[in-house]
Amino acid sequence: EVQLVESGGGLIQPGRSLRLSCKGFEFTFGDYAMSWFRQAPGKGLEWVSFIANKAYSETTEYAASVKGRFTISRDDSKSIAYLQMNSLKTEDTAVYYCTRGVRGPDYWGQGTLVTVSS
Amino acid sequence: DVVMTQSPLSLPVTLGQPAAISCRPSQSLVHSDGNTYLNWFQQRPGQSPRRLIYMASNRDSGVPDRFSGSGSGTDFTLKISRVEAEDVGVYYCMQATHWPVTFGGGTKVEIK
Repeated sequence: EVQLVESGGGLIQPGRSLRLSCKGFEFTFGDYAMSWFRQAPGKGLEWVSFIANKAYSETTEYAASVKGRFTISRDDSKSIAYLQMNSLKTEDTAVYYCTRGVRGPDYWGQGTLVTVSS
Repeated sequence: DVVMTQSPLSLPVTLGQPAAISCRPSQSLVHSDGNTYLNWFQQRPGQSPRRLIYMASNRDSGVPDRFSGSGSGTDFTLKISRVEAEDVGVYYCMQATHWPVTFGGGTKVEIK
């Protein structure tokens, strides 16, 4: 069964950095684009970032709210996608979900909570 | 950015009765490749989102056939033919035709 498992969340002070990881199981990781979404407490869903697979040159896209601060990457040999988050702000507080695909994300992880607070 | 206007905000439904959620994007969702990248997600309390419908009208494997998606261009609808207790949660539409990907604000389905 396809599974995505996120890790790396936690409590972090504003201005600091954090790296999230998403490991995929039971599918050929390198065949798929991977994305990150987030959901602030009690709020709706927001797309954060996307990385294409090698066939599409690992092209990346970012939401305006995180562009220049967040970097998405992938290591297909380990079946892991990463989200490097720098210069964190209190408004980045959310559950971060990793998904397979972006045009129609079919599998979602359980999410990892990032709390940015002093 | 494409604004996804979803309604209603809240939808109290009697068990066994139908329900419908509307999603109206601010521009057409027909991609240059001919596809319409409109998805519907269900988020039950305390759970991750689950995709129900992709490309406007294709039901995901394992999704009960009481769920259906329809529409085109700038007018889309998710219908539940007979609401069951397990359908309680928040439903979101999402477009991925245009960057950035954007969501509707969500519709909370509850049992009357």
